[in-house]
Amino acid sequence: GQQVMQIPQYQHVQEGEDFTTYCNSSTTLSNIQWYKQRPGGHPVFLIQLVKSGEVKKQKRLTFQFGEAKKNSSLHITATQTTDVGTYFCAGGDYGGATNKLIFGTGTLLAVQP
Amino acid sequence: DTAVSQTPKYLVTQMGNDKSIKCEQNLGHDTMYWYKQDSKKFLKIMFSYNNKELIINETVPNRFSPKSPDKAHLNLHINSLELGDSAVYFCASTTSRNTGELFFGEGSRLTVL
Repeated sequence: GQQVMQIPQYQHVQEGEDFTTYCNSSTTLSNIQWYKQRPGGHPVFLIQLVKSGEVKKQKRLTFQFGEAKKNSSLHITATQTTDVGTYFCAGGDYGGATNKLIFGTGTLLAVQP
Repeated sequence: DTAVSQTPKYLVTQMGNDKSIKCEQNLGHDTMYWYKQDSKKFLKIMFSYNNKELIINETVPNRFSPKSPDKAHLNLHINSLELGDSAVYFCASTTSRNTGELFFGEGSRLTVL
């Protein structure tokens, strides 16, 4: 079945350093979404990308969708302690009769002040 | 007002028992989901309902039975609980069955002893 992998699994940075997580799907995606889950919390939607090669920015966060629509990345510039949490990508799978989001394996970000 | 609410938030029970988790959303969404998050933080889709109709049923033991009395509610009943059922169960909803943004509940942490 479809798999969505993320690397790294875990990243520890000093506050102010940059951070990037990469998301790779075994199949072509219809769209990609990104979520953030704070420790002890629930996933919260960040953004959705739909077009091949699309790039979107939210303040210090930059999201990219690959040309082949099989990979994506999230880059955080100058991390802050409030960025701590697990970042999930989620690929939209419109194949077959059902439409569903397949979540990636997640990247846990720790930020040291 | 909580958009997607789950009860109970915590559930500790013995192996072999039967338990239920309830979910309600007040967003007017048509599609609701149950996701399971294990100790490694993997988020796995279990079920999805669209307007009370079951549209996604992943490979889940038949001890798990979802029920949607109306489009604002999606409950999860689990029979004969096993140790491996221990996890956080998240309910989520979205406006469209075509994988729009998911709104998650706060989660229900189930511990089976």
